Amino acid sequence: GESVGLHLPTLSVQEGDNSIINCAYSNSASDYFIWYKQESGKGPQFIIDIRSNMDKRQGQRVTVLLNKTVKHLSLQIAATQPGDSAVYFCADLSPPGGYQKVTFGIGTKLQVIP
Amino acid sequence: NAGVTQTPKFQVLKTGQSMTLQCAQDMNHEYMSWYRQDPGMGLRLIHYSVGAGITDQGEVPNGYNVSRSTTEDFPLRLLSAAPSQTSVYFCASSYGRTSGNTIYFGEGSWLTVV
Repeated sequence: GESVGLHLPTLSVQEGDNSIINCAYSNSASDYFIWYKQESGKGPQFIIDIRSNMDKRQGQRVTVLLNKTVKHLSLQIAATQPGDSAVYFCADLSPPGGYQKVTFGIGTKLQVIP
Repeated sequence: NAGVTQTPKFQVLKTGQSMTLQCAQDMNHEYMSWYRQDPGMGLRLIHYSVGAGITDQGEVPNGYNVSRSTTEDFPLRLLSAAPSQTSVYFCASSYGRTSGNTIYFGEGSWLTVV
């Protein structure tokens, strides 16, 4: 079946540096993606989304890049702060057959070193 | 606007006991779902609903029941708790169940079965 996965399970970054978290997807027809942030003891929180008609979308300190050719997404966090420490995961919200088919990867844990 | 609200936050059950996890959303969302999250695994779908009066099974439905009598509420019932049901449970909702609609999560319910 279709799947969404992450390359790096843990990423350690110095405070103030930029962070890049990667995600691969397998459905070439996918057209909507979301990045979530999950802090310890909390539910997944929407960060940013991107549709397939875009290559890049920017938010506050975050940028998502979409490369449809290689079916790859990345989340870039500028000037990483201690409050950015969390698990980040992407989701393909365009599975054939509806949202009951959405899969969520295990995520990448971002550790910010003060 | 409270979003997706789950109760209780924490619960300890004895094997064989039953209980209900409550979930409510105030966004008039059509689609609601329950996930469980276990260490080293992504979110796994238990049950979902595409509207009041309509429910269906997800990936791991055994041992759980749901009902959707109103648009707002989607309770998850554990019929006879087992240690294997020790997990974190997340309720989620979305305006629609196809591409382009954000999935919003509750803050989670931590369940321990002893």
